[in-house]
Amino acid sequence: GAVVSQHPSWVICKSGTSVKIECRSLDFQATTMFWYRQFPKQSLMLMATSNEGSKATYEQGVEKDKFLINHASLTLSTLTVTSAHPEDSSFYICSARARDRVGDGYTFGSGTRLTVV
Amino acid sequence: QQQVKQSPQSLIVQKGGISIINCAYENTAFDYFPWYQQFPGKGPALLIAIRPDVSEKKEGRFTISFNKSAKQFSLHIMDSQPGDSATYFCAARTGGGADGLTFGKGTHLIIQP
Repeated sequence: GAVVSQHPSWVICKSGTSVKIECRSLDFQATTMFWYRQFPKQSLMLMATSNEGSKATYEQGVEKDKFLINHASLTLSTLTVTSAHPEDSSFYICSARARDRVGDGYTFGSGTRLTVV
Repeated sequence: QQQVKQSPQSLIVQKGGISIINCAYENTAFDYFPWYQQFPGKGPALLIAIRPDVSEKKEGRFTISFNKSAKQFSLHIMDSQPGDSATYFCAARTGGGADGLTFGKGTHLIIQP
């Protein structure tokens, strides 16, 4: 089945630094990648949608200059949290849809726990 | 505005019982309704999904019931097992696949042995 590998699984960084999270589709070409954010015991909130080779579309209230998304290839998308602050601490999850995929499935990564100290 | 309302927030069911989680939506443009299971520290995993032209879908112990006129759908877990203890999210999507998912707030399910 379709697999999305997300790394790192957890990261601790100092306030003011930047952190990059990677998502790779291992056995399919991800035409569209979605990035979600989840606070403890809360739901997943869509942050942005990216299509390969084009700029990401951000949801209302999400700072595009703070959360940089790159989807340069059909198998790799990255989320960079720039100048991270403690309030950016959260669980970040990517999700991919495949090109020409039959059905409606979205494949999720295993998530990245970001802690900013 | 919460587009997908999920209840209950938490649920305790005895082993072997039926777990029922409900969701209601507002946007009639939604065209795909999946349910996800999430364990702590992990990404969500698709359990089962339905489209609005179907009233019920069953896969193993999991059944989705869909009421288009009431704009409601529910997940039934038959013969609930301790391994089913997790957080369950309903979700919905518009746009034929170009859009991301809108999630409900989640239900923390505990199956007591």
